[in-house]
Amino acid sequence: AQKITQTQPGMFVQEKEAVTLDCTYDTSDQSYGLFWYKQPSSGEMIFLIYQGSYDEQNATEGRYSLNFQKARKSANLVISASQLGDSAMYFCAMRELDVISGGYNKLIFGAGTRLAVHP
Amino acid sequence: DAGVTQSPTHLIKTRGQQVTLRCSPKSGHDTVSWYQQALGQGPQFIFQYYEEEERQRGNFPDRFSGHQFPNYSSELNVNALLLGDSALYLCASSGGQGARGQPQHFGDGTRLSIL
Repeated sequence: AQKITQTQPGMFVQEKEAVTLDCTYDTSDQSYGLFWYKQPSSGEMIFLIYQGSYDEQNATEGRYSLNFQKARKSANLVISASQLGDSAMYFCAMRELDVISGGYNKLIFGAGTRLAVHP
Repeated sequence: DAGVTQSPTHLIKTRGQQVTLRCSPKSGHDTVSWYQQALGQGPQFIFQYYEEEERQRGNFPDRFSGHQFPNYSSELNVNALLLGDSALYLCASSGGQGARGQPQHFGDGTRLSIL
């Protein structure tokens, strides 16, 4: 079963406007973490923002905010005031507890959304 | 403060050969994970090393193996290379295997092409 679903293969936004990238997830765990990463064409994965399942407030990091709706199992990324440098692939990822090792570190990624910012 | 470094940047191999990819984690990090990212897809978890042991493993065959050294650096080995092994291989590090809220920091990756 697909754990992370990103339904938007590609998105376009005008410079300085806000854009929302969708992410839904599937888990039966109560304790989990949700991450968003940015991947420019050069390949490196850049961490943007994190939301824990027990966090009551939506996470914010500068121009990035996460619209976390736990009951709907969605964790949408909102980028405000888009810049040309925001053009990249964006990946939503989830980290669950691995019951065998007891560690949290395995990340499960979605297929990604390619964002293009137009001047 | 150096981030995650991977070598080599690019590699071209032929079917049946073996390859070793290397990763040095970010300073202060002791856990290394490896991911395979095929073209147009999200990264897929291969395995994770902590305290020089493989702690978690994804759905990859035994041809994929790894090692972690006392200085926390890591190697990914792939034997009997197949065309389907062509991908970007990403190394990620973090501090503390059970640190729930701590993000993984990724290197720039090694792009492996199999001819």
